[in-house]
Amino acid sequence: AQSVTQLGSHVSVSEGALVLLRCNYSSSVPPYLFWYVQYPNQGLQLLLKYTTGATLVKGINGFEAEFKKSETSFHLTKPSAHMSDAAEYFCAVRNTGFQKLVFGTGTRLLVSP
Amino acid sequence: NAGVTQTPKFRVLKTGQSMTLLCAQDMNHEYMYWYRQDPGMGLRLIHYSVGEGTTAKGEVPDGYNVSRLKKQNFLLGLESAAPSQTSVYFCASSLVFENTEAFFGQGTRLTVV
Repeated sequence: AQSVTQLGSHVSVSEGALVLLRCNYSSSVPPYLFWYVQYPNQGLQLLLKYTTGATLVKGINGFEAEFKKSETSFHLTKPSAHMSDAAEYFCAVRNTGFQKLVFGTGTRLLVSP
Repeated sequence: NAGVTQTPKFRVLKTGQSMTLLCAQDMNHEYMYWYRQDPGMGLRLIHYSVGEGTTAKGEVPDGYNVSRLKKQNFLLGLESAAPSQTSVYFCASSLVFENTEAFFGQGTRLTVV
């Protein structure tokens, strides 16, 4: 069965520091992977997705993620955090032939001045 | 561009009462989903639908029923609400293809007292 694991329910960084949010997936077939962001009291919006092709994927707001098949990982990074990046981030997976989109438990990013 | 619209946005129910949450999408998507979001547990799939007139169970279907009589609408029903169903409920929709993302509504915050 497909699943994702997000390490760390909370990550704290200083403004201007590197952001690294971890996601590992479990899948018996090549997965499609997604990162979503949720701002307080809002729904989820797509940050970026990996389908096929280039393993380094660029998304909105300066975020990017790299698909590493050997490590079964799809970590999200941003070189320099901004206060407006404070939100909850979810990794999700869907496999070929599977209709369901499965989410991780989320990581709350805290950004301090 | 309405996207995915959920009604109501907030609701307080007494234990044992019933209610229906409505999800409407205007993107002509085939797939629709109902998730619940609880602290520390991410988003868990309640039920989903792959087309008009079809529904299927997700991870946590007990205590909920759904219907998809029209392609654009997906209804989530609680027949006899319980305090354990206090949660934030999100509806989402997507195209058929596994490499496409899901679009989310703004959520319904439900409290059962």
